[in-house]
Amino acid sequence: EAGVTQFPSHSVIEKGQTVTLRCDPISGHDNLYWYRRVMGKEIKFLLHFVKESKQDESGMPNNRFLAERTGGTYSTLKVQPAELEDSGVYFCASSQESWTSGSAYNEQFFGPGTRLTVL
Amino acid sequence: RKEVEQDPGPFNVPEGATVAFNCTYSNSASQSFFWYRQDCRKEPKLLMSVYSSGNEDGRFTAQLNRASQYISLLIRDSKLSDSATYLCVVTPSGGYQKVTFGTGTKLQVIP
Repeated sequence: EAGVTQFPSHSVIEKGQTVTLRCDPISGHDNLYWYRRVMGKEIKFLLHFVKESKQDESGMPNNRFLAERTGGTYSTLKVQPAELEDSGVYFCASSQESWTSGSAYNEQFFGPGTRLTVL
Repeated sequence: RKEVEQDPGPFNVPEGATVAFNCTYSNSASQSFFWYRQDCRKEPKLLMSVYSSGNEDGRFTAQLNRASQYISLLIRDSKLSDSATYLCVVTPSGGYQKVTFGTGTKLQVIP
């Protein structure tokens, strides 16, 4: 079974440009998460989708970031316009519905990440 | 104060050694605790969950101390392949899956 995939693996853009990151979760996983790791810092939560709905977007830094998950399958994260401080590794993760395993937490499977560099 | 704190290391240990990492968390309402492993330039992967009673998986033992709000990971008989960054992960109460990561502890096992 394919894991979580992300595209592109690397992106180098100039300040002010737009970049769109894509995440394809594991098939059948309703939960999709975006995280970001800035160099030297911890991985930080950005937002959480349940199917196509945003469950929690409290971690989104500002309105230059827009995440979508049309149809409840893959998700995109757009940064427009990009700033220097947006550089980092953007991880996507997916998990099953909570009720499927009977536990409050389902393992989140992470994608390989997109390394974004803003010059 | 960070929500989840870890000693960043690096911990340089010889093969066969036993090494322990600790992690403290600030939110007393936190419900679930995990250790993730992250290899260099790779994605985090779940290593093991952490239960109050303690749990063991081969050479790895995890413990939770709710009173002192810390969790630990013990690795016995270290292997070269154990070299990685170990991330402490905490989730809030209520079953919601938003997780908080520590910065990670880097382990380097030396031949």
